[in-house]
Amino acid sequence: EIVLTQSPATLSFSPGERATLSCRASQSISSHLAWYQQRPGQAPRLVIYDASYRATGIPARFSGSGSGTDFTLTINSLEPEDFAVYFCQQRYNWPQTFGQGTKVEIK
Amino acid sequence: QITLKESGPTLVKPTQTLTLTCTVSEFSLSRSGMGVGWIRQPPGKAPEWLALIYWDDDKRYRPSLKTRLTITKDTSKNQVVLTMTNMDPVDTATYFCTLSYYYDNTIFDHWGQGTLVTVSS
Repeated sequence: EIVLTQSPATLSFSPGERATLSCRASQSISSHLAWYQQRPGQAPRLVIYDASYRATGIPARFSGSGSGTDFTLTINSLEPEDFAVYFCQQRYNWPQTFGQGTKVEIK
Repeated sequence: QITLKESGPTLVKPTQTLTLTCTVSEFSLSRSGMGVGWIRQPPGKAPEWLALIYWDDDKRYRPSLKTRLTITKDTSKNQVVLTMTNMDPVDTATYFCTLSYYYDNTIFDHWGQGTLVTVSS
């Protein structure tokens, strides 16, 4: 089973700042990585798929990069609605696995 | 607008069998290429993928839970059912139904609201 490590567990920013989140895979997963946003009390929502493609309806301030084992989600100019937990997920191998999440909180 | 809605018991006793139903609206489960799956999330923890069924009835299960899980679909009702046997308190979680279609049939592009299942005597 592929392990995804997200660190740190929590990041603190002020609105308008740029957030950079990290996800590392225990083995190469090519570009088969997605990012999901989860607000309190809600289901996760797909943000980025295949490492760098924005899902439908996702603002352009969200971008993803990386391949192999190291991936990054960048949120430019944080809006109030962006403060949430972000999970990475790999679909390279079964079972599909998720990282433990990074909480982006307001400083 | 595509919606997925989970239904089932909110409380089950240890050793009992859990049966959850996902009802999908505005999307046919007969559509070629689609997959409907189940993901659970214990309180305060990461999501965990459980099972997935494809339009052609192909199925995938989480290996560590494979002996306890069964996923089926009823295209006439546009529903997917997950059963999990021998429930334990560690199975307490919110269970989400997901749809995979618009990007790849292994990417979860639509999610239900989730249903919290508590396992307790």
